[in-house]
Amino acid sequence: NAGVMQNPRHLVRRRGQEARLRCSPMKGHSHVYWYRQLPEEGLKFMVYLQKENIIDESGMPKERFSAEFPKEGPSILRIQQVVRGDSAAYFCASSLPGLGKETQYFGPGTRLLVL
Amino acid sequence: SQQGEEDPQALSIQEGENATMNCSYKTSINNLQWYRQNSGRGLVHLILIRSNEREKHSGRLRVTLDTSKKSSSLLITASRAADTASYFCATDVRGANSKLTFGKGITLSVRP
Repeated sequence: NAGVMQNPRHLVRRRGQEARLRCSPMKGHSHVYWYRQLPEEGLKFMVYLQKENIIDESGMPKERFSAEFPKEGPSILRIQQVVRGDSAAYFCASSLPGLGKETQYFGPGTRLLVL
Repeated sequence: SQQGEEDPQALSIQEGENATMNCSYKTSINNLQWYRQNSGRGLVHLILIRSNEREKHSGRLRVTLDTSKKSSSLLITASRAADTASYFCATDVRGANSKLTFGKGITLSVRP
């Protein structure tokens, strides 16, 4: 059973470009969470999605950031018009539904560098 | 200050010694989890302890939870050089949609 997959692992963008980060949850997991980690910091929650639904986006900036988890395919975190402050590691986690959602399994992360 | 705060911020020990790391939090929780992160890598789930549990063991790991003091500790016994990593506690806050709130982490160095 493959773990949570994220791609790309590293992404370099210039200011003003768009960044698209992909996350494929573990098989059977229908809950996806996105977190951001700045250097020397812990992870900060951004958004929680189930298939085709955003459940909680309280940690996501109101502008330039969006997330989706379509019926088919990976979850996408999209950052438009990136700025230097968006440079960080972005982690996706997935969990089972119901009681199984207690434990979140993390992917290896996408390290975004904005030049 | 944050929901989850670990201490110490950094810990350096000799291989074979025990490492104790502490975490304090502020609000009511469903559970508390400890994760390990090796430099530049993703997070590995170590152990989960529910709010109605006081102690759990997993291999060389022992976790305690004191909800009256809103604190937890992670003990790694007989440490190895491979235990060198950052350790984070994360709380699943009651009513918060299962999102995890992380502390800043503890950097553990185990000297061979």
